[in-house]
Amino acid sequence: NAGVMQNPRHLVRRRGQEARLRCSPMKGHSHVYWYRQLPEEGLKFMVYLQKENIIDESGMPKERFSAEFPKEGPSILRIQQVVRGDSAAYFCASSAGGNSYEQYFGPGTRLTVT
Amino acid sequence: DQQVKQNSPSLSVQEGRISILNCDYTNSMFDYFLWYKKYPAEGPTFLISISSIKDKNEDGRFTVFLNKSAKHLSLHIVPSQPGDSAVYFCAATRMDSSYKLIFGSGTRLLVRP
Repeated sequence: NAGVMQNPRHLVRRRGQEARLRCSPMKGHSHVYWYRQLPEEGLKFMVYLQKENIIDESGMPKERFSAEFPKEGPSILRIQQVVRGDSAAYFCASSAGGNSYEQYFGPGTRLTVT
Repeated sequence: DQQVKQNSPSLSVQEGRISILNCDYTNSMFDYFLWYKKYPAEGPTFLISISSIKDKNEDGRFTVFLNKSAKHLSLHIVPSQPGDSAVYFCAATRMDSSYKLIFGSGTRLLVRP
C-alpha cells in the first residue's frame, strides 16, 4: 500500500545547475499536482498533470520550470539554471481524478541552491 | 490576493482540552474545504474535508464547521493530545479549477502535556 513517493528527499545544487525532482503517485492514481512551499509560508500550487498531459500550469513560473508525466515512469519537475530563490520544499500530491478532490501528498523534496 | 487565510500563526492548548483552529476565505465559489496536518520535514497529511453544501463534518476527534455566510471554517480537535502538535493547513478547492488546492499559511498547534 505504497503512498506517494518522491525522490530525492534532499537535493543541493549550485546556482546555474539543473534540478530534477521525481514523483510517483499512489497506486491507482493518475492525477499529479506539484506544490512549492517557501520558508514560513503555505503551499502554493504550481502545476496539475495527467498521464502525458499538462492540464493546468497556471502556478508555474514562466521561465526555467517545466513538468511532465510520461506514459511510463514518474512525474518530473525540472528546474533549469537554478537560483537561490528556488530553494524551497517541493511537494507532489496525487488523486484518483474524476470527482475525487482529495489529494495525498508525498514527503517532499527539499531543494537547496548554494 | 490571499484567498484563504489563517490569521493565527500559533496556538497552545493543554492536553485533554479542545483545540480550535480557524480559517477564513474570500472566494464564495469554493466547492470543498480540507484540513491537512504537517510535521516538520514531512508532507501534509489529509485530516478531514467538508463540502460547501454542508455545515459540519465529524471524524473521530476531528470536527470541521463551515459558516458560508461568514466565509469561515474551523477545525475542532477534542480531546487534544500531545501527538497533535503540528502545523495545520486549511485548503480550499473548486471543481472547475482542476481541484487545485489553495492553502492558508498554517497554524502551529502545540499541545502541552
